[in-house]
Amino acid sequence: DVKVTQSSRYLVKRTGEKVFLECVQDMDHENMFWYRQDPGLGLRLIYFSYDVKMKEKGDIPEGYSVSREKKERFSLILESASTNQTSMYLCASSLGQDEKLFFGSGTQLSVL
Amino acid sequence: DQQVKQNSPSLSVQEGRISILNCDYTNSMFDYFLWYKKYPAEGPTFLISISSIKDKNEDGRFTVFLNKSAKHLSLHIVPSQPGDSAVYFCAATNSNSGYALNFGKGTSLLVTP
Repeated sequence: DVKVTQSSRYLVKRTGEKVFLECVQDMDHENMFWYRQDPGLGLRLIYFSYDVKMKEKGDIPEGYSVSREKKERFSLILESASTNQTSMYLCASSLGQDEKLFFGSGTQLSVL
Repeated sequence: DQQVKQNSPSLSVQEGRISILNCDYTNSMFDYFLWYKKYPAEGPTFLISISSIKDKNEDGRFTVFLNKSAKHLSLHIVPSQPGDSAVYFCAATNSNSGYALNFGKGTSLLVTP
């Protein structure tokens, strides 16, 4: 079974803090994604990566950056957290050209 | 602009009956469609998919229908069970132009005993 692990289930940060969300997958998947889920807005793509050190902007990249130094790990960085970044963050991975994504359990981030 | 639309935020169905969840899309380049199910405090899990070369795909109690001319797909769950209560997301992509899925806003299904 594919396992996508997000380092924290719940996180509380203060406005202006730098926040790191970590994601690790164990199935040697090429593609990794960060989505956020908000009530009434569904899942929106922040960034994705289809190879080590490669990254592509999704639909809502503003205020975020990412890092992919190793194939299995994809990090989402909030340089200066703001209250409108309070959300459920979901990491996902997929294999090559396979459209099917496998998701982690999510990190509920609260920015106070 | 939302390219995948789920216009019903919620749906309530009695146990044993059919649940029908609808999804519309605007991008005619989409050629692969998926349904995901999400329980609270968990990540979405893949449920069923369909390629644009088909108009129906069935997996147990779950069937997805695709109407390309109407840019519409639907998920049928028969018979519905209380454990099916979750948020269902429709997703679409073009398999040749990228790796990311476009998701709808989701439909919250409640199956009552």
